[in-house]
Amino acid sequence: DAKTTQPPSMDCAEGRAANLPCNHSTISGNEYVYWYRQIHSQGPQYIIHGLKNNETNEMASLIITEDRKSSTLILPHATLRDTAVYYCIVRVYNTDKLIFGTGTRLQVFP
Amino acid sequence: GAGVSQSPSNKVTEKGKDVELRCDPISGHTALYWYRQSLGQGLEFLIYFQGNSAPDKSGLPSDRFSAERTGGSVSTLTIQRTQQEDSAVYLCASSPHRGTGTEAFFGQGTRLTVV
Repeated sequence: DAKTTQPPSMDCAEGRAANLPCNHSTISGNEYVYWYRQIHSQGPQYIIHGLKNNETNEMASLIITEDRKSSTLILPHATLRDTAVYYCIVRVYNTDKLIFGTGTRLQVFP
Repeated sequence: GAGVSQSPSNKVTEKGKDVELRCDPISGHTALYWYRQSLGQGLEFLIYFQGNSAPDKSGLPSDRFSAERTGGSVSTLTIQRTQQEDSAVYLCASSPHRGTGTEAFFGQGTRLTVV
């Protein structure tokens, strides 16, 4: 599985956009990018995933570079409840195995 | 139930004892995963079941750890002769079908403390 690199921590002001980067320079053509988050003392929660195209859902947007070597998760209007550890994962096509890295600890402040 | 259910939510055991942790996945989900999370650390993959295929056991840290999944549904993670370093939160997840575009749903975990 391709490895991912994320900054260990980030801060964001409430109401502003939070942009969380992820490098996956060894990603293969059939590997998807997934994002999960883990709020303190809870199980991880799925956010979004994509292959090549940018994706948006009610929680976030995912921007994947054209060469697919990096991506950015965007929380358009961060709230205090978005404070969590965010994990970027690459997942091989046609498997369900998810290997988590160390993630980015996002702190949203008032 | 609506989500992945794990039991017990907390378990304290003495060093050297065996423990069993249970996971009830979402009904109809064919894939089931076990992870371990030590205090302040990320999620460590342990084992993954997919339908009737042989499980991927590549993450099990030692032969003291084993897991089974009966009837393609409930799973039990067994740790024999527990050690203090086994203390962690054990998380179970399930997903509906093999392949892309499927999200995994996590339980709230079992917090294991070995004293």
